[in-house]
Amino acid sequence: GDSVTQMEGPVTLSEEAFLTINCTYTATGYPSLFWYVQYPGEGLQLLLKATKADDKGSNKGFEATYRKETTSFHLEKGSVQVSDSAVYFCALIDRNTGNQFYFGTGTSLTVIP
Amino acid sequence: DAGVTQSPTHLIKTRGQQVTLRCSPKSGHDTVSWYQQALGQGPQFIFQYYEEEERQRGNFPDRFSGHQFPNYSSELNVNALLLGDSALYLCASRPDRVSYEQYFGPGTRLTVT
Repeated sequence: GDSVTQMEGPVTLSEEAFLTINCTYTATGYPSLFWYVQYPGEGLQLLLKATKADDKGSNKGFEATYRKETTSFHLEKGSVQVSDSAVYFCALIDRNTGNQFYFGTGTSLTVIP
Repeated sequence: DAGVTQSPTHLIKTRGQQVTLRCSPKSGHDTVSWYQQALGQGPQFIFQYYEEEERQRGNFPDRFSGHQFPNYSSELNVNALLLGDSALYLCASRPDRVSYEQYFGPGTRLTVT
């Protein structure tokens, strides 16, 4: 079945450091890939998405490229800020059905000044 | 334009009791999904409702049931509560046949004692 594996955390970085959070997936159909962010006490917010192979999603300085050959969708940001501290979830959905998201377990990021 | 809203925000129940959680989808969205997010885990798909019918169900027991109303709002019911049902319950909505991107509400935190 479909699944997502995420880099385990927690991750602690200094402000302005480079961020990478690894995500790999297994899918039987044609997945679209997403990164969601969850701030303390809140629900999930869509950060970025990519619908097909080689697409690059980007938002707020974050980016991720859909790599079919390595089944990966790693999240990167060149210079993190304290306000980026949150939990990040990688997710996929099968474009054929569009009904069910499969989420990774989440990676907690703390950015210190 | 209001996003996805959920009520109540927090809830404390005793083992064996029953609970009802409510969700109002984003305006223009007719498809509602429910997810369970245990502490430190990614959200797990419970089920999805469209046209007042359960369209797809995840790996959850029959104690979890739902309903969708003609105005597209939805309820999640859990019977015979177990300690393990303690979690954040997230509702997500999307416009069917338009986009599979789902918008999440802030969630209901259920604590079972």
